[in-house]
Amino acid sequence: QSALTQPPSVSGSPGQSVTISCTGTSSDVGTYNRVSWYQQPPGTAPKLMIYEVSNRPSGVPDRFSGSKSGNTASLTISGLQAEDEADYYCTSYTTSSALLFGGGTKLTVL
Amino acid sequence: QVQLQESGPKLVKASETLSLTCIVSGYSIGTGYSWGWVRHIPGKGLEWIGSVFHSGTTYYNPSLKSRVTISMATSRNQFSLTLSSVTAADTAVYHCARDMGYAYGHAFDIWGQGTMVTVSS
Repeated sequence: QSALTQPPSVSGSPGQSVTISCTGTSSDVGTYNRVSWYQQPPGTAPKLMIYEVSNRPSGVPDRFSGSKSGNTASLTISGLQAEDEADYYCTSYTTSSALLFGGGTKLTVL
Repeated sequence: QVQLQESGPKLVKASETLSLTCIVSGYSIGTGYSWGWVRHIPGKGLEWIGSVFHSGTTYYNPSLKSRVTISMATSRNQFSLTLSSVTAADTAVYHCARDMGYAYGHAFDIWGQGTMVTVSS
């Protein structure tokens, strides 16, 4: 099963908003509201930012929001800050009862 | 505070079996959640390996299923990963993590720091 499709990189200036897309198929993103997003700064463990498409765990700033339309999920970061610079990964549950990760997106804060 | 820590050999020879253990503190793994393994291959992204439900039921990445076993040792509050017949393609940072389960989309909310495992020829 192929990885979910994410743009390799996105960038934005402090204070701006950026959106990272995560495109799957009707066998994963399109069928389930079981999409998560992770933030991973270099050399650290991933951190859960969003689960079930749009839910934020305790402690995650409300600048981070998630949504989904059809086979594509999105992570939006508003009020961009330097500390947001990291790799971001999406995941989705699949009809094969498996978890599929996206290829990852490198966010650069200009 | 729940914490996870991976342990195991950092170097494995090709064709042999990779074995890692995740030691959990702050929560009894037999009482709830699922517990999983995710790897990060250098230069590539993250890959889910598999998870074990607190009851012991396992579910694996189909692409690795023939080589993977995940098991729990509730008395020691740890769970383990074995990956057989390894090749250089299995060189990665291996993370253990707490899996929130199907109800929460199998999101991993707590992670170990990860351990780099290199497969040598």
